Amino acid sequence: DTAVSQTPKYLVTQMGNDKSIKCEQNLGHDTMYWYKQDSKKFLKIMFSYNNKELIINETVPNRFSPKSPDKAHLNLHINSLELGDSAVYFCASSPGGGWTDTQYFGPGTRLTVL
Amino acid sequence: AQTVTQSQPEMSVQEAETVTLSCTYDTSESNYYLFWYKQPPSRQMILVIRQEAYKQQNATENRFSVNFQKAAKSFSLKISDSQLGDTAMYFCAFMKLNSGYALNFGKGTSLLVTP
Repeated sequence: DTAVSQTPKYLVTQMGNDKSIKCEQNLGHDTMYWYKQDSKKFLKIMFSYNNKELIINETVPNRFSPKSPDKAHLNLHINSLELGDSAVYFCASSPGGGWTDTQYFGPGTRLTVL
Repeated sequence: AQTVTQSQPEMSVQEAETVTLSCTYDTSESNYYLFWYKQPPSRQMILVIRQEAYKQQNATENRFSVNFQKAAKSFSLKISDSQLGDTAMYFCAFMKLNSGYALNFGKGTSLLVTP
């Protein structure tokens, strides 16, 4: 009965490759997010979707493309991976996208680019 | 843009003692939310406590409480009766209205609870 799940948990790949990280939530939430945690543990918002509509798109290289096939899923596709993309990527969700809502985080995906 | 500052990169406390983690933030907003999240070695992000800026009363959750000073833009977390399981990174976070509900995080404080 995992609330927010991500696959894979670990991803090791070569520079220049394209990879995807999947996120699913079974909480019935309307809003989903992607955060990036760098090697110094700093967490920063990348994207958020409300009911499959993009509402936040921070200054992120356009090699990163989120895709929301339905409101329970928000996948992150990364093209032409670079060394600097190595980080932990967290998916999160919240009930209605309201500012009173708690965000629930997935377990994170550690991406290592060699 | 809002900035969140956690001035203590690392802290240590003995089991059963009390520890306070500092957080200050910079904003021109009058209404917003503040949060403390915990990230243990398992990497999972766990909500510890949250505070609505319009509420004067400080939030409490069992052994965790906050000291919210709106005028000073300060939001410290007090952990009472520290337990070994409290060992984790603690992140202070800010959310403003109409921001797409993104959390703006501080750089974190690594807390070690020792026996």
